[in-house]
Amino acid sequence: AQSVTQLGSHVSVSEGALVLLRCNYSSSVPPYLFWYVQYPNQGLQLLLKYTSAATLVKGINGFEAEFKKSETSFHLTKPSAHMSDAAEYFCAVTQTSGSARQLTFGSGTQLTVLP
Amino acid sequence: DAGITQSPRHKVTETGTPVTLRCHQTENHRYMYWYRQDPGHGLRLIHYSYGVKDTDKGEVSDGYSVSRSKTEDFLLTLESATSSQTSVYFCAISAPGLASQETQYFGPGTRLLVL
Repeated sequence: AQSVTQLGSHVSVSEGALVLLRCNYSSSVPPYLFWYVQYPNQGLQLLLKYTSAATLVKGINGFEAEFKKSETSFHLTKPSAHMSDAAEYFCAVTQTSGSARQLTFGSGTQLTVLP
Repeated sequence: DAGITQSPRHKVTETGTPVTLRCHQTENHRYMYWYRQDPGHGLRLIHYSYGVKDTDKGEVSDGYSVSRSKTEDFLLTLESATSSQTSVYFCAISAPGLASQETQYFGPGTRLLVL
């Protein structure tokens, strides 16, 4: 079974600083990986997804993630944090189980952006 | 935004009472999912549906049942609510396709408090 580990349940950065949110996965087959963002009192919004077409994936709002098979990682980065980036971020891996593909989520990382 | 609505958005109920949450979609997607979100656990799959009247269990299905009589509606029922079912519940939808193409889109969530 696949699993996802997000290192750091809380991350704080200053406005304008680099954002780095870590995600490691375990999978017995080539994975499809996702990053979702959740703003307060809202549902999850897709930031980006890795589907094996390219190891560096660009998403919305200036975020990108790099798939590194040797490190089983899919870390999320943004060069310069903005106050509006404050949210909770979830990494997820898809797997086929039963009659549909299912998402397995990490426990989430709360990003705080300091002025 | 994907056309997904959830009702009610907030509910307070008492232990032992039945509760039904509704997810409605306007996208005509085949797959629908129910997740619960709890601090430190990310999102965990409760049940999913791969077609009308076709459902299957997820990771945390005990105490929950589902029904899907129409493509657009997926109901989650707590037969006898317990305090451990206090959570935020999210519905998601996806269309079947290649694993590299499938993406789950999430509704706004239902916040349930069981007293």
